Amino acid sequence: KNQVEQSPQSLIILEGKNCTLQCNYTVSPFSNLRWYKQDTGRGPVSLTIMTFSENTKSNGRYTATLDADTKQSSLHITASQLSDSASYICVVRGRKNAGNMLTFGGGTRLMVKP
Amino acid sequence: GAGVSQSPSNKVTEKGKDVELRCDPISGHTALYWYRQSLGQGLEFLIYFQGNSAPDKSGLPSDRFSAERTGGSVSTLTIQRTQQEDSAVYLCASSLPSRETQYFGPGTRLLVL
Repeated sequence: KNQVEQSPQSLIILEGKNCTLQCNYTVSPFSNLRWYKQDTGRGPVSLTIMTFSENTKSNGRYTATLDADTKQSSLHITASQLSDSASYICVVRGRKNAGNMLTFGGGTRLMVKP
Repeated sequence: GAGVSQSPSNKVTEKGKDVELRCDPISGHTALYWYRQSLGQGLEFLIYFQGNSAPDKSGLPSDRFSAERTGGSVSTLTIQRTQQEDSAVYLCASSLPSRETQYFGPGTRLLVL
């Protein structure tokens, strides 16, 4: 069964600090992995997308890593800001030509405090 | 505003009533997805439309759920005889053909009393 597990479930950090969110998956065959940011009361917004051959990808203060061998990904947030408070969702697409081949993680709820 | 829009933003209904949720995708996006997000849970795929192809309904949890997409644009998700466990945020997303990035709407928060 395809699964995506995220940890921690929730995290509180002080403004300016760094943090790392984890995503482990069992989806196979694998096509790509995407991190979304979902602000409270809003729809998810894509941060990064990584394919099998990519190990790291950055988007501003967000850096995602992927280890396709161990089926693990991380999202590192540098110099956190209050606006980073949100849920971060890891989504893995399986390698099939079907629109629904997406498996969603349960998300990590990040709270950045001043 | 060229984003995905959904209406209503909030809906409170009584158990047993039918509800209709609407999604207006981004113009030109032929792919449209419906998801459900229960409190504290991850996103759950419901249904996927791609152009004129038959929709992928494999995620619909029961025959009380149905969706249509008229004219390849606006979509309506209908829940018949609502149950309390249907309470959730229903999110719609759209994407360009052969593109990975899905753009999400703000969601409809459904509460079934």
